[in-house]
Amino acid sequence: DVKVTQSSRYLVKRTGEKVFLECVQDMDHENMFWYRQDPGLGLRLIYFSYDVKMKEKGDIPEGYSVSREKKERFSLILESASTNQTSMYLCASSFTAALSNQPQHFGDGTRLSIL
Amino acid sequence: AQTVTQSQPEMSVQEAETVTLSCTYDTSESDYYLFWYKQPPSRQMILVIRQEAYKQQNATENRFSVNFQKAAKSFSLKISDSQLGDAAMYFCAYSSGANSKLTFGKGITLSVRP
Repeated sequence: DVKVTQSSRYLVKRTGEKVFLECVQDMDHENMFWYRQDPGLGLRLIYFSYDVKMKEKGDIPEGYSVSREKKERFSLILESASTNQTSMYLCASSFTAALSNQPQHFGDGTRLSIL
Repeated sequence: AQTVTQSQPEMSVQEAETVTLSCTYDTSESDYYLFWYKQPPSRQMILVIRQEAYKQQNATENRFSVNFQKAAKSFSLKISDSQLGDAAMYFCAYSSGANSKLTFGKGITLSVRP
């Protein structure tokens, strides 16, 4: 089975801190995604990557950046955390960049609180 | 831009009964894919079922089936013989083009009464 591992289940940080959320997948997937999940808003795409060092903005990229130096690892960075970034963050991966019918495999999520 | 609408925030079903979760979408594409994902409380999101738009036959996975109405842009999920383990948040999602990028609905919370 595909394993998508997020480094923390729960994280508490302070306003203004630089925050790193890490995600690793073990199935050699090309695509990786970062979402945030908020009640009543569903999942919203922050950034995605279809190859090493490649990234594209999703629907809500403001205040975030990403890094993909290795195929298996995709990091989400909050440059200067703010309270409105308190949320559940979900990482996902899928097999190939060439097809849109590939299901995404999700990690357990990181519940991030910014105080 | 594509949109996915799940208009019911919550539903409840009696154990062993059947429930249908609604989803509508808007797109100008002719080739696309639709998904239902399940997110149990405090657990990982998993794929329930997938439908290719070019297929007329509705997808089925054990107790889960869809009613795909392409002209109406409707994609509902039917759960038969509901079980306590079906209690979860369910998300409808749409994908087209490359990169398998998904657009999600807001989700519906399903509770199962014993």
